Amino acid sequence: DTEVTQTPKHLVMGMTNKKSLKCEQHMGHRAMYWYKQKAKKPPELMFVYSYEKLSINESVPSRFSPECPNSSLLNLHLHALQPEDSALYLCASSQDGQGDGYTFGSGTRLTVV
Amino acid sequence: KNQVEQSPQSLIILEGKNCTLQCNYTVSPFSNLRWYKQDTGRGPVSLTIMTFSENTKSNGRYTATLDADTKQSSLHITASQLSDSASYICVVSAKTNAGKSTFGDGTTLTVKP
Repeated sequence: DTEVTQTPKHLVMGMTNKKSLKCEQHMGHRAMYWYKQKAKKPPELMFVYSYEKLSINESVPSRFSPECPNSSLLNLHLHALQPEDSALYLCASSQDGQGDGYTFGSGTRLTVV
Repeated sequence: KNQVEQSPQSLIILEGKNCTLQCNYTVSPFSNLRWYKQDTGRGPVSLTIMTFSENTKSNGRYTATLDADTKQSSLHITASQLSDSASYICVVSAKTNAGKSTFGDGTTLTVKP
């Protein structure tokens, strides 16, 4: 079983809704990541937090807003999404964000209607 | 530009047979190479991680090799099972640009009875 827990597993939201994706890890990792994955494509990096500070933002639209309340938690706040934002959203963590191995969560399947 | 190319794009084999997946990369300076297995709709699960000094690593029926001189890696699956049907993703990290690993497009393996 994965040691990175993501909730919810599935989410359907309207374009005017506000929702949040949650990610939690208790491995003592100091780097956490959000990835977006479309069908039959590799994951695409969205954000990286290193030691609770945002270190990488891959020019993600502002309708996606990340938050790292502490070293174990990572949230992704969603607002005014578009249907093309429907995808599998993956959270990952690693020891220190220096190119080491990731542990991925099981993902949240997001559908925007 | 850092790139990771995987081949074949897809592969169909009979249960019990062996197969080998390929990964070529141009990531530099090299830090590590990881193979992940991803079931449909689930997060990737780590199979192996290899650094520059390692040329073989096994995880059960999975054996990965790394040739850092030719910048090639392979993942060999022995005595395939139906549960091996998945996408296999090669991920390479550079010592610089930490946090932004390069993903291959994956190989989709189908094991048939």
